[in-house]
Amino acid sequence: NAGVTQTPKFRILKIGQSMTLQCTQDMNHNYMYWYRQDPGMGLKLIYYSVGAGITDKGEVPNGYNVSRSTTEDFPLRLELAAPSQTSVYFCASSPRTGGNQPQHFGDGTRLSIL
Amino acid sequence: GQNIDQPTEMTATEGAIVQINCTYQTSGFNGLFWYQQHAGEAPTFLSYNVLDGLEEKGRFSSFLSRSKGYSYLLLKELQMKDSASYLCAVNDYKLSFGAGTTVTVRA
Repeated sequence: NAGVTQTPKFRILKIGQSMTLQCTQDMNHNYMYWYRQDPGMGLKLIYYSVGAGITDKGEVPNGYNVSRSTTEDFPLRLELAAPSQTSVYFCASSPRTGGNQPQHFGDGTRLSIL
Repeated sequence: GQNIDQPTEMTATEGAIVQINCTYQTSGFNGLFWYQQHAGEAPTFLSYNVLDGLEEKGRFSSFLSRSKGYSYLLLKELQMKDSASYLCAVNDYKLSFGAGTTVTVRA
């Protein structure tokens, strides 16, 4: 069972570069999420999606963009990388929101902006 | 807004019991989750509470009091592998996470 798969696992970017963090899930979950986790901090929601074609901002969306063209994929785009975006990024999915359905997390992408 | 507080660190001895408290003030409430996160890994689901009371799952139990905005995670018979960060997360149709409590288990 693959679950939630994130690529790449590690990446170093230069300031101003752009990149896309990939996230794919094979559980047919409707809901998908992107979080960032800074050292000693909790997870902060960047963007989320309730289904293909529908996305919405979370708590810290500035500097990021997302799309959801299929149920399976939810890529996160950084257009102009800044040092403040150095973090660990987690993608997660769940069948629905609310209730006792936990989110399933990918292994994370460790991103450094230098 | 959401405000979720948990202690930063706790240390306990192998075989002992540790209780991790979580207090929350949120605009809505649709359940509370506890996740375990080992260093360098993804969070994994431990427990869920939506009604007041205690939920027991083997060595782990979680308690909720909605009127007090309070939950705790109880870890019994601690093992070395329980050394990890424990995240409290309140579900208000989106999850809001506390900063996590790092538990260190000593031999």
